[in-house]
Amino acid sequence: DGGITQSPKYLFRKEGQNVTLSCEQNLNHDAMYWYRQDPGQGLRLIYYSQIVNDFQKGDIAEGYSVSREKKESFPLTVTSAQKNPTAFYLCASSIRGKNEKLFFGSGTQLSVL
Amino acid sequence: AQSVTQPDIHITVSEGASLELRCNYSYGATPYLFWYVQSPGQGLQLLLKYFSGDTLVQGIKGFEAEFKRSQSSFNLRKPSVHWSDAAEYFCAVGPEGSASKIIFGSGTRLSIRP
Repeated sequence: DGGITQSPKYLFRKEGQNVTLSCEQNLNHDAMYWYRQDPGQGLRLIYYSQIVNDFQKGDIAEGYSVSREKKESFPLTVTSAQKNPTAFYLCASSIRGKNEKLFFGSGTQLSVL
Repeated sequence: AQSVTQPDIHITVSEGASLELRCNYSYGATPYLFWYVQSPGQGLQLLLKYFSGDTLVQGIKGFEAEFKRSQSSFNLRKPSVHWSDAAEYFCAVGPEGSASKIIFGSGTRLSIRP
């Protein structure tokens, strides 16, 4: 079945550590997105990518980095510069230039030890 | 400023009762409007969307929503809720052709009373 796979489901970060969240899709979508979700808040866009080897900052990119070396993959690194990383992270994809539908993964819960 | 407001943080309804979740938006251009549902610890699933045409749109799982331009509202309704409808519901608004500019509301958590 086509879809978006996020891993791991749960992730713990120590102080000063970088951690990477995985996002893989087999929907053949050009565009991919990373969102952060905090309790009682809506989704906030961290980074997005419309095509391979290109990505743009979203509303809250500070302390995060991404890469898009393959169409299927859009990993997110939460760096030590992100001082409040505890949140639920959602990856999504869509057909480029179309916003009929965002397809979401099942998310990664990141917590700080 | 562009924004989406869901005034109800948490709603509890009895199983079999009708449901209406409110959504108001502020958007300069013609909005594309969406409702998503999120089960605990899961991603979001699109319930329905409105781009143009008939202002009453039907979605999956028996949900519908009505676009009222004069009231800047896009309320979600269901005639009879089921226990499986318990979840978080998000209203969202965005421009044509640019999913990166979609703005999400803060969500309404729906609980179902047996």
